[in-house]
Amino acid sequence: QSALTQPPSASGSPGQSVTISCTGTSSDVGGYNYVSWYQQHPGKAPKLMIYEVSERPSGVPDRFSGSKSGNTASLTVSGLQGEDEADYYCSSYSGINNYVFGTGTKVTVL
Amino acid sequence: EVQLVESGGGLVQIGGSLRLSCAASGFTVSNRYMSWVRQAPGKGMEWVSVIYAGGTTYDADSVEGRFTISRDNSKNTVYLQMNSLRADDSAVYYCARGAYSGGAYGYYFDYWGQGTLVTVSS
Repeated sequence: QSALTQPPSASGSPGQSVTISCTGTSSDVGGYNYVSWYQQHPGKAPKLMIYEVSERPSGVPDRFSGSKSGNTASLTVSGLQGEDEADYYCSSYSGINNYVFGTGTKVTVL
Repeated sequence: EVQLVESGGGLVQIGGSLRLSCAASGFTVSNRYMSWVRQAPGKGMEWVSVIYAGGTTYDADSVEGRFTISRDNSKNTVYLQMNSLRADDSAVYYCARGAYSGGAYGYYFDYWGQGTLVTVSS
């Protein structure tokens, strides 16, 4: 199972928006609405930010939004804040009780 | 409050074995599906194994036949037995709780532990 493809880095100034892509195949991202996104600060455990493509858990700011088109999912962070600087990973169910994660994107707030 | 605390990591030789533990509190592991996810130093995350509420388990191809996930309901703890360890198994291993959505599997993880580091070296 190959990892989902994410850009290595993304950046934006405070208040701007940044969008991270997550490209898979019809066997994972394109085949299921089970895409989730996780935020990870250095040395910390991952934190769920988005599930089922676009759903936000309680406590996650509405600045975070998710979407999907075909085999590519996206995470958009609007109104960037310093605390948003972190690594972000997408994940998708890939059938037959397998899960696949993305390669990760480092978001820098300029 | 949901908490997951991993333990059991350490330095082990190539070909050796190690058993990781994930002690859960704030919920009952037998009512949930639980996974292990690993992250090699400076690398991305890789799903390793899952155990469903009914006890069925599945593993990633990279660890199939070498790793075994299990749980002890009386201790509310999930384990990962790792055998025939290789250098590329070196990673921080996270325990993660699977989430449900509308009563069905949501296929995402809503709580994660802090991880335990496994280093496999010759």
